[in-house]
Amino acid sequence: EDQVTQSPEALRLQEGESSSLNCSYTVSGLRGLFWYRQDPGKGPEFLFTLYSAGEEKEKERLKATLTKKESFLHITAPKPEDSATYLCAVQAGGTYKYIFGTGTRLKVLA
Amino acid sequence: DTAVSQTPKYLVTQMGNDKSIKCEQNLGHDTMYWYKQDSKKFLKIMFSYNNKELIINETVPNRFSPKSPDKAHLNLHINSLELGDSAVYFCASSQELAGGSEQFFGPGTRLTVL
Repeated sequence: EDQVTQSPEALRLQEGESSSLNCSYTVSGLRGLFWYRQDPGKGPEFLFTLYSAGEEKEKERLKATLTKKESFLHITAPKPEDSATYLCAVQAGGTYKYIFGTGTRLKVLA
Repeated sequence: DTAVSQTPKYLVTQMGNDKSIKCEQNLGHDTMYWYKQDSKKFLKIMFSYNNKELIINETVPNRFSPKSPDKAHLNLHINSLELGDSAVYFCASSQELAGGSEQFFGPGTRLTVL
């Protein structure tokens, strides 16, 4: 069964304290792995797409990496405005469905 | 310009009523989706349309009926609303169905059934 698991569920960091969020997945035929950011009361906002193991993408303080079993979202020197829920999703090859994880709630303290 | 818009943003109604949520995208995308996000923030796909054709129809009560009048619009009609239907409903679109395209989400419609 296609599945996405994110950890930790919640993370509190001090401003400037770097860390990583994990997304483990099992899927038949990965079409893409996606990272989104969701602020309270808003829809998810697209961050990155990764297609194959070894691929990396960067944007400001965020860097996403991908292996055959998991993806990491590395946050370097986070700021309070990085506080949000970060969602990971995969698109399954056979069904075309997008399967989301339950997210990591990140709080960055000033 | 709003890429994916939904109306209304909030919907409060009584059990047993029928309601509709509208969604429009101005991105020129071929594929549109409806998701339900429960109180634990878990996003679950309900339906997907590709070029106005229903592609994904998850295990959703048949009280929920999507309608796509054209590629830019996907509406969701819900009959005989129940307490358990209370959630946030998100519309989304992507360039295509099969190519691992990122999705763009609307702002959500918070449905409360009393």
